[in-house]
Amino acid sequence: DIVMTQSPDSLAVSLGERAAINCKSSQSVFYSSNNNNYVAWYQQKPGQPPKLLIYWASTRESGVPDRFSGSGSGTDFTLTISSLQAEDVAVYYCQQYYSSPWTFGQGTKVEIK
Amino acid sequence: QVQLHESGPGLVKSSETLSLTCTVSGGSISTYYWSWIRQPPGRGLEWIGYIYNSGRGSTNYNPSLTSRVAISVDTSKSQFSLKLSSVTAADTAVYYCVRGIVVGAFQYWGQGTLVIVSS
Repeated sequence: DIVMTQSPDSLAVSLGERAAINCKSSQSVFYSSNNNNYVAWYQQKPGQPPKLLIYWASTRESGVPDRFSGSGSGTDFTLTISSLQAEDVAVYYCQQYYSSPWTFGQGTKVEIK
Repeated sequence: QVQLHESGPGLVKSSETLSLTCTVSGGSISTYYWSWIRQPPGRGLEWIGYIYNSGRGSTNYNPSLTSRVAISVDTSKSQFSLKLSSVTAADTAVYYCVRGIVVGAFQYWGQGTLVIVSS
């Protein structure tokens, strides 16, 4: 199985400041034949299902604010919130869908400082 | 807008079979990858498996569960189902049914249903 490891486990950022979450896969999730990284990012608020933010490592899902961006390739990926808003308080998960079983990171909790 | 809704017993006895159904509305169930994902209380996400309903209804399961899990589809009812046998307390979780935007990236989620395994 591909292990996805997120860092940090929790993050406290002031409103309006930048938040960055890292995700490292235990093997490359880049498929050279289509030039895609098979990584997605989700946001989960308490009592709600996860919400897809980013797929193909950097493609923003429709309706997701542009302050959310994804980057990285191969084994190292980052989700960046450019200017943290109060409604962004949540747990964020990365996930690989390069090979079965599809696996998630352990989650990163983002709070307001 | 695609909507998914899980239904089934919220309490299952240890060693018995957990059975859940997901009803899909607002879109065709005949294509896309339809998955089940679970989340134990206060913990992370685990993909259980998918069914790809393109004629043959091919399935793929997490090897950690493959001996106990079965996912099936009923196209006429726009439903797909999960069966997990020989459950233990470790199977207590919120179970989500999900549809992918691309294979493996999960776009549409049900609200989830909590299943508690009791002894």
